[in-house]
Amino acid sequence: LAKTTQPISMDSYEGQEVNITCSHNNIATNDYITWYQQFPSQGPRFIIQGYKTKVTNEVASLFIPADRKSSTLSLPRVSLSDTAVYYCLVGKFYFGSGTKLNVKP
Amino acid sequence: DGGITQSPKYLFRKEGQNVTLSCEQNLNHDAMYWYRQDPGQGLRLIYYSQIVNDFQKGDIAEGYSVSREKKESFPLTVTSAQKNPTAFYLCASTPGQGGFYEQYFGPGTRLTVT
Repeated sequence: LAKTTQPISMDSYEGQEVNITCSHNNIATNDYITWYQQFPSQGPRFIIQGYKTKVTNEVASLFIPADRKSSTLSLPRVSLSDTAVYYCLVGKFYFGSGTKLNVKP
Repeated sequence: DGGITQSPKYLFRKEGQNVTLSCEQNLNHDAMYWYRQDPGQGLRLIYYSQIVNDFQKGDIAEGYSVSREKKESFPLTVTSAQKNPTAFYLCASTPGQGGFYEQYFGPGTRLTVT
């Protein structure tokens, strides 16, 4: 089972780039890495997914090194509305404990 | 609009009572999942179902039961055997069984047992 470790919280300011790293040392060969965003009292929402190297979509980038034992979610130019909890999911079911991102004006 | 619905949003029960949480999806997804979330914690898997009439226990299945009689429905019963049932419950679905599918989540049900 791929146990994941994330920082508990991070602070940032509007307009900055934010990088959140997730460690998953025992990731399995066929595991994908997926990141979700969750606002209070709501269900998580998909942000991005990758298997290796770099993936980019309209809201984020995901960097995965060759050994796949970690991954980094990059949010460019955050705004106040990006204040939320961010989870990495490795494989099908095992979510990390989440990183609470607080964006300040 | 396609999506997942969970009802009710808030549920209150007395200790010792069983309670059933509803989860319905109209996405035609094969797989469905139930997670529990405690304050300040991540999501923990209770049960999942990859196909109708089949389901598997997750990490914290004790005190819970499920059924999957229809593709679109996956109700969760919290029994009196669950020692700490107060939590936020989330239902999700995916088109298939692979880990490369995005999970679609419902809005959640907040259960309070006193």
